[in-house]
Amino acid sequence: EPEVTQTPSHQVTQMGQEVILRCVPISNHLYFYWYRQILGQKVEFLVSFYNNEISEKSEIFDDQFSVERPDGSNFTLKIRSTKLEDSAMYFCATPGGLGVGNEQFFGPGTRLTVL
Amino acid sequence: DAKTTQPNSMESNEEEPVHLPCNHSTISGTDYIHWYRQLPSQGPEYVIHGLTSNVNNRMASLAIAEDRKSSTLILHRATLRDAAVYYCIPGGYNNNDMRFGAGTRLTVKP
Repeated sequence: EPEVTQTPSHQVTQMGQEVILRCVPISNHLYFYWYRQILGQKVEFLVSFYNNEISEKSEIFDDQFSVERPDGSNFTLKIRSTKLEDSAMYFCATPGGLGVGNEQFFGPGTRLTVL
Repeated sequence: DAKTTQPNSMESNEEEPVHLPCNHSTISGTDYIHWYRQLPSQGPEYVIHGLTSNVNNRMASLAIAEDRKSSTLILHRATLRDAAVYYCIPGGYNNNDMRFGAGTRLTVKP
């Protein structure tokens, strides 16, 4: 089964600091997605990214968030000035095939703790 | 986005079949029905999807009502590893930002 990896597994930061979460998706895939899950709550869609552009974003994905593909193999989610309420698990995901398919593979997540 | 209704929780005994229902009465004609699950402390995991016909794969079966307003995920023999939150998510084939609801928490008893 294809594997999506995320780093770090756990990030602790002070409120107001910038954090960058990294995702290495299934090789050569142009699509990826970011989700978050606040402890005890449902998984929430943040943003979808295709071929170096944001294709869709939710109301959660405000100006504090940005996504990039700094090189050919990994994607990042940046939070510019973290708030306490940004504490959550952040998951990235990519479709299983080269196109847009129904099966998404999720990474193991990064636990972000904002103090 | 189509609204879904799932039981908050269900229990099953190990080795017995489990039927997890989902109502999605506002589903559009082109929406697929996706099922994902989330094991404790892990990311969501794809289970199965379908459009109109019933579907089977190595993990589960998906039974879709004729009017497509409901579906049932069937685990034929529940194992302890199947204890998870199961999510039913209607959505388009080309619009794959999955909108998760609260899901059904399945407990499997030995």
